[in-house]
Formats: sequence, structure tokens, C-alpha cells
Amino acid sequence: SQTIHQWPATLVQPVGSPLSLECTVEGTSNPNLYWYRQAAGRGLQLLFYSVGIGQISSEVPQNLSASRPQDRQFILSSKKLLLSDSGFYLCAWSDGQSYNSPLHFGNGTRLTVT
Amino acid sequence: GQQLNQSPQSMFIQEGEDVSMNCTSSSIFNTWLWYKQDPGEGPVLLIALYKAGELTSNGRLTAQFGITRKDSFLNISASIPSDVGIYFCAGQLGGTYKYIFGTGTRLKVLA
Repeated sequence: SQTIHQWPATLVQPVGSPLSLECTVEGTSNPNLYWYRQAAGRGLQLLFYSVGIGQISSEVPQNLSASRPQDRQFILSSKKLLLSDSGFYLCAWSDGQSYNSPLHFGNGTRLTVT
Repeated sequence: GQQLNQSPQSMFIQEGEDVSMNCTSSSIFNTWLWYKQDPGEGPVLLIALYKAGELTSNGRLTAQFGITRKDSFLNISASIPSDVGIYFCAGQLGGTYKYIFGTGTRLKVLA
């Protein structure tokens, strides 16, 4: 069966520091991968998605970037964090073989920028 | 970024009551998904809908893909305390792999 792992679960970082969040998927090949951000008490905002290695689509201009160095690895990064980057970051995957496959989420990373 | 209009925003109900919530958009979607999120966790898929007019059940949950492809509904029958959480709809924009999420419905059940 397929599983998705996100780490770390919780992170506290000072303003201006770099960020690297990692997500990996097991049990499937060539998945579509997604990064969402959820502000406190709010819905999920799509940040990036990828349909293949090295292919990244950015949805919202911001202080973040994403990379997909391997088929089942998706990384969210920032060179200098802002206070507004605080939130709950969720990685998700869907079956890349099916056009309308549903999303399956990891357990998220709670980022607090101080 | 884009978001779907989801209502109600929150609701308190008595245990045993039925619950209804819906999502609407000005855009047409190819797929509708419904999720439940518990505090501090990622959303969990409840129901997936793929065709206009489709009605699908998962236990006490029933969801429908609107005929216009611009809306979807979720019903929960005979609610129980463990139904507490936030429910999200998500729609797949046609011709893309993008899923846009609703603003969420926070459900609280009074025993």
C-alpha cells in the first residue's frame, strides 16, 4: 500500500532563517505531488504541484520554492522566512496514471516563525 | 488563491441529527472530493465523485456531484460524537491536476 511521510512534524524558526520541509511517498511510481498551506482556522491553499521529476508548477507568488529531485520526493524551501510563512504545511500525492485520482495527505508540518 | 464557497462555516448539532453542507463555485469541476480533518492532522478522504449527478455513499455519509458541475453536497446521517471535525470539499479544475479546496465546515456535536 502507498504511504506518505512528512517531516518534521513541528518546527519553530526565526525570521530570516532558511527552511526545508521534506515529503516522500512509498508504494507508487510517478505520483503527482502537491504542497498546500493551511493558516489557522482556514482552508487549504495550493502552493505548488508537480507531475514529474523537475517539473514544478507554482500557484501563488511568495517567499517559498519547491523542488522534486527524485520521483517520490518533494521538498519545500525558503531562503529567508517571514512571519507570514507560519502555518500548517501539508504534502499530498495522487496517482499519476489516473487523470482524476484523489489526493492523499501526509500528517503535516506545523511551522511557527518567530 | 482560488477557494470554493463552502457553507455553513460551522454548526452545532445534537447527536443523532442529520447534517448537510455544500460547496459552490463559479467554475466547472471534473471531480469533487470530500475530506475530514481532525486537529493537528492531515485531511482524510471520505468520498470521491467523478460524474455530474453522481450520488455516492460511504456508511452514514452521502455526497452528490451537482448537475451543473459547479457544486457538491455532503450529508451525514445520525451524527455521533466522533463526527466532530472540519469537513472540506475540493474540486479539480478541468484540464488540470489542480485541486481547489473549500473554506471548510467545522462540525461540533452535542451529546
